[in-house]
Amino acid sequence: GAGVSQSPSNKVTEKGKDVELRCDPISGHTALYWYRQSLGQGLEFLIYFQGNSAPDKSGLPSDRFSAERTGGSVSTLTIQRTQQEDSAVYLCASSSQGRRVSDEQFFGPGTRLTVL
Amino acid sequence: QKEVEQDPGPLSVPEGAIVSLNCTYSNSAFQYFMWYRQYSRKGPELLMYTYSSGNKEDGRFTAQVDKSSKYISLFIRDSQPSDSATYLCAMSRGSSNTGKLIFGQGTTLQVKP
Repeated sequence: GAGVSQSPSNKVTEKGKDVELRCDPISGHTALYWYRQSLGQGLEFLIYFQGNSAPDKSGLPSDRFSAERTGGSVSTLTIQRTQQEDSAVYLCASSSQGRRVSDEQFFGPGTRLTVL
Repeated sequence: QKEVEQDPGPLSVPEGAIVSLNCTYSNSAFQYFMWYRQYSRKGPELLMYTYSSGNKEDGRFTAQVDKSSKYISLFIRDSQPSDSATYLCAMSRGSSNTGKLIFGQGTTLQVKP
């Protein structure tokens, strides 16, 4: 079946502009995660959704970052007033339930964001 | 100091070599340990998953966890050029019900034919 998909695959924007990144999880997966992968930094957790609610937003780096999930499916990560340090690959993952730490997370290919 | 430390490499080995990849961590609350493989321009994919201490083997791959030393390893036997990728260790706290993963920086491996 289809895996996690993300769009766009690449995004180049100018400093100060807003961007929206989209994630389509595996059908039926209730848990959805956003991570950020910066050069030399590994993956950093941003936010976790269970259904449409976000019980863990602890990884969002500033109030310029926000995310929502509608219909228990698609999620959008929005970065306002982008800065050069926001340049990274933004990865989305989903798991079937997310209520057990052992539930496997399936990752999408990521959106490569470049802020000029 | 990061919660999970991993040597970024790069690590280059000849085909057929045994590869050893390692991570150290500082938080004794971690109970679930995973290794992900990430090919260039792709998302990570789960290779191995271990709960608490011990060894786990899957084909050419062996994962080891030593909680007393806060040290985990991934061994790859008879390495192949197709194993060339970035390997990321990841951990999760057993008390958490979010499944949030804490990743190492990743080690880039190149297996030369």
